[in-house]
Amino acid sequence: DVKVTQSSRYLVKRTGEKVFLECVQDMDHENMFWYRQDPGLGLRLIYFSYDVKMKEKGDIPEGYSVSREKKERFSLILESASTNQTSMYLCASSLSGEMSYGYTFGSGTRLTVV
Amino acid sequence: DAKTTQPPSMDCAEGRAANLPCNHSTISGNEYVYWYRQIHSQGPQYIIHGLKNNETNEMASLIITEDRKSSTLILPHATLRDTAVYYCIVLKSGGGADGLTFGKGTHLIIQP
Repeated sequence: DVKVTQSSRYLVKRTGEKVFLECVQDMDHENMFWYRQDPGLGLRLIYFSYDVKMKEKGDIPEGYSVSREKKERFSLILESASTNQTSMYLCASSLSGEMSYGYTFGSGTRLTVV
Repeated sequence: DAKTTQPPSMDCAEGRAANLPCNHSTISGNEYVYWYRQIHSQGPQYIIHGLKNNETNEMASLIITEDRKSSTLILPHATLRDTAVYYCIVLKSGGGADGLTFGKGTHLIIQP
């Protein structure tokens, strides 16, 4: 039973392209997050959202934007893809104030920018 | 959030118990200990969490020392599919809106 779904498992894009990564959760969670994961650097938070139409910058927001028009969907946008954005992108969600199940992650999107 | 320290790697024989340690000496009274694991090329998976009492679920047991400065995750009968990177994290209660900070974790290798 998949609860956080990322639209693509693997993606190859050209430098300069606008890239959309989509994430959908079916658990009615308020909070959603986008991370990137690179070897030796661990998980780094790009953006998160704690409500519809709300967004907050994480640790590395440069070169990215996000959109949350509906509670269940959180999109990550690379305005003009660059090779240094080649990475594994992970979406996660959580409930506010209730930590019983922690964070639920999607399977990840491995993006290659050429 | 408090910082955690884990060994970079561990080996364990298949069928034996895997005991993964974590130090979190600066943990605050309202911070929980969470464990996640990440199997190669997949998203992190929640395993278990606790505040001060020992916890057990279908995946693992979590032993937290009385002073809460360290904990141990126990996989009672490790299988090859338990080979993964295991992350120990401390989070404030009600911190559902805070992003997670994953360290480098422990790479657990289960040997046949």
